[in-house]
Amino acid sequence: KQEVTQIPAALSVPEGENLVLNCSFTDSAIYNLQWFRQDPGKGLTSLLLIQSSQREQTSGRLNASLDKSSGRSTLYIAASQPGDSATYLCAVKGMNGGNTPLVFGKGTRLSVIA
Amino acid sequence: DGGITQSPKYLFRKEGQNVTLSCEQNLNHDAMYWYRQDPGQGLRLIYYSQIVNDFQKGDIAEGYSVSREKKESFPLTVTSAQKNPTAFYLCASSLSGRTDTQYFGPGTRLTVL
Repeated sequence: KQEVTQIPAALSVPEGENLVLNCSFTDSAIYNLQWFRQDPGKGLTSLLLIQSSQREQTSGRLNASLDKSSGRSTLYIAASQPGDSATYLCAVKGMNGGNTPLVFGKGTRLSVIA
Repeated sequence: DGGITQSPKYLFRKEGQNVTLSCEQNLNHDAMYWYRQDPGQGLRLIYYSQIVNDFQKGDIAEGYSVSREKKESFPLTVTSAQKNPTAFYLCASSLSGRTDTQYFGPGTRLTVL
């Protein structure tokens, strides 16, 4: 059964710092990996989706990488801002057993201090 | 505006009551999903539907029921059989089931009194 782990569970950084959030998964047979942002009491906002054939995706100050063979993904945030404070979740879509839904990690809660 | 709407935003249930959470999307997506989120936990899948009139159980379907009579609507009923229903419920949709981005609604917070 696919398991997704995110480390650290919480992270606090000063404004302007570059940072990396980590995501690992146990089964490398995936269609894609997706990074989401969740603000307190809100739904999830999709940030980046990486297909299994891709190595990375970029959107503005965000860069996500995928190493499928080692079961790892990172989300790099450049020049962090207080508005980046949120919980970041990664999720993988497995290939086994037909159309399997997303499996989520528990998230990393990021605080960017002004 | 295109998107996913959930209602109500807050819902209170008495012991023994069934309640229904609404989820509507105007994105013309085929697939729709219901997740439950508890504090400090990741999202857990309750039910999902890949097409109208078809749905499958997720990891924690016991005590819940769904219907998919229309493409744009996927209501979730929390029955009295669900012993610990207090949680944040999120609905999502995607164009198809396999490789597409999932888009989420704003969520419904259910509290049992």
